[in-house]
Amino acid sequence: NAGVTQTPKFQVLKTGQSMTLQCAQDMNHNSMYWYRQDPGMGLRLIYYSASEGTTDKGEVPNGYNVSRLNKREFSLRLESAAPSQTSVYFCATRTGPYNEKLFFGSGTQLSVL
Amino acid sequence: GESVGLHLPTLSVQEGDNSIINCAYSNSASDYFIWYKQESGKGPQFIIDIRSNMDKRQGQRVTVLLNKTVKHLSLQIAATQPGDSAVYFCAETLLNGSARQLTFGSGTQLTVLP
Repeated sequence: NAGVTQTPKFQVLKTGQSMTLQCAQDMNHNSMYWYRQDPGMGLRLIYYSASEGTTDKGEVPNGYNVSRLNKREFSLRLESAAPSQTSVYFCATRTGPYNEKLFFGSGTQLSVL
Repeated sequence: GESVGLHLPTLSVQEGDNSIINCAYSNSASDYFIWYKQESGKGPQFIIDIRSNMDKRQGQRVTVLLNKTVKHLSLQIAATQPGDSAVYFCAETLLNGSARQLTFGSGTQLTVLP
């Protein structure tokens, strides 16, 4: 029972390159989220999926796209990476959109040069 | 307490002492609050929560206090241990339409001194 698994753990990109961050959960949760965490700032919501088949923008969606592949998997794509996207990215899940508790993965540290 | 900016507030305590970490929240309509612990290189981990109809809740070695009048939360850790060294941040939540919205504070870095 791994909980929330993110891959990769570390990634270095050049400006303009693309990549996909993967998130998978075995908690049978309906809702999945992507956050970014920058130094000295709180977690900011990029995109979320309240349930399988739906996705919505969060607070800072520009430059990102997401795919809810199935109930378990929710990926985050950077089509053309920019230095401003250097951050630590966390995937999180919860039972449903009404539920309060979020369970987090261990994060992906991304550097864009 | 927590603030938005480049530098996290820091708190250093001696091992065995009690720690108090503060958080000011922004929305008086928030009705549920969570404290998370984040160790270096790891994701945030749930510690304790409290609903707005309570002013105190205790867990194992941790207590959360809520003062709705001044929109303030605190996390008290009893007999602080080296393993408590981490960033602690609060989250305020409220129902917004069809979903529960969470807003996170920036965190406080707790360092436990030997």
